[in-house]
Amino acid sequence: SQTIHQWPATLVQPVGSPLSLECTVEGTSNPNLYWYRQAAGRGLQLLFYSVGIGQISSEVPQNLSASRPQDRQFILSSKKLLLSDSGFYLCAWKAQGYYGYTFGSGTRLTVV
Amino acid sequence: GQQVMQIPQYQHVQEGEDFTTYCNSSTTLSNIQWYKQRPGGHPVFLIQLVKSGEVKKQKRLTFQFGEAKKNSSLHITATQTTDVGTYFCAFHYGGSQGNLIFGKGTKLSVKP
Repeated sequence: SQTIHQWPATLVQPVGSPLSLECTVEGTSNPNLYWYRQAAGRGLQLLFYSVGIGQISSEVPQNLSASRPQDRQFILSSKKLLLSDSGFYLCAWKAQGYYGYTFGSGTRLTVV
Repeated sequence: GQQVMQIPQYQHVQEGEDFTTYCNSSTTLSNIQWYKQRPGGHPVFLIQLVKSGEVKKQKRLTFQFGEAKKNSSLHITATQTTDVGTYFCAFHYGGSQGNLIFGKGTKLSVKP
């Protein structure tokens, strides 16, 4: 079966520290992968998407970067976190020929 | 850029009452999707509408896509406490193969 794993579930990091969030998908190949951020009580903002290994597109200029080192692995990173980077980070994938996005369980990041 | 507006932002209902949330766009949409996010959870895909005037039902949920494909609605009949959560509409930006852009959502609370 197809599953998506995202970790960690929660994270508290000091301002200026680095960040690495990982997302992996199982049971599929060559998925489209996405990183969204949800600020408290607000909608989902698309940050990055990838249609293949090493192919990353950024939707919003910011303090974050993404990488796709393997077909089913998507990583969100930052060299130095800002307070404004706090939020709920969600990884999602879309299978070829399928309509909906499947989201991971998300990471709640608090920058202090 | 292209976006969708969701109304209302919040809705409080008594259990058993009906609930409707609306999603409006100033431009024609290729399709519309609906997601539900339970409190503390991640968005879950509910449905996709593609055709003008399309109506789809899932048990107590009725989804409609406007004739002009500029608006959509989600109606819940006889709400239950399990319906609590935030309902998002989303559309593919730039056509059916584009990335998914979400509205800000309608947060539903149900009083037992």
